[in-house]
Amino acid sequence: EAGVAQSPRYKIIEKRQSVAFWCNPISGHATLYWYQQILGQGPKLLIQFQNNGVVDDSQLPKDRFSAERLKGVDSTLKIQPAKLEDSAVYLCASSSGYQETQYFGPGTRLLVL
Amino acid sequence: SQQGEEDPQALSIQEGENATMNCSYKTSINNLQWYRQNSGRGLVHLILIRSNEREKHSGRLRVTLDTSKKSSSLLITASRAADTASYFCATDRLGYSTLTFGKGTMLLVSP
Repeated sequence: EAGVAQSPRYKIIEKRQSVAFWCNPISGHATLYWYQQILGQGPKLLIQFQNNGVVDDSQLPKDRFSAERLKGVDSTLKIQPAKLEDSAVYLCASSSGYQETQYFGPGTRLLVL
Repeated sequence: SQQGEEDPQALSIQEGENATMNCSYKTSINNLQWYRQNSGRGLVHLILIRSNEREKHSGRLRVTLDTSKKSSSLLITASRAADTASYFCATDRLGYSTLTFGKGTMLLVSP
């Protein structure tokens, strides 16, 4: 069974530029999550989707971050414009349902200069 | 805010020794999970223990949960160099489906 796929693996941009990350969850998984992991800390949930609907985006900085999962499968997370403090690893995870085990992708490491 | 807090922050042991990591949390939970993260890689799910369970085993892993103390421990027996990683506990609070992670314990196992 293929795992959660993410791209790109690495991205370096300058502050105020825009960036987008892509995630393809495990086939059949209805729930998709985006996390931000700053160096030395645990992952922090940014947004959770159930199919193509948002379940929780309370910690998403909506003035600059946006995410979508239009067809209930792939998802895109965008940052526009990026700030220095957005430098982190962005992890995507999926699960088969509510409170089930989450499976994580390899992450996208973002460096904002 | 962090729901779970791991202790110690870092642990260095020799191969063959046991490693114990602890996690404390603040609010009532449905489940507690432990994840491993190798340097530069995504998180790997290790074990899930439900709030009505007290102990669970998986291979060389043993997890305990004490809901009265709001704490959990992860024991890795007969550690190997390949166990070198950061270990995170994650909880989902009652009524919520989202996970909250702690800051992790960094484990170094020397050959």
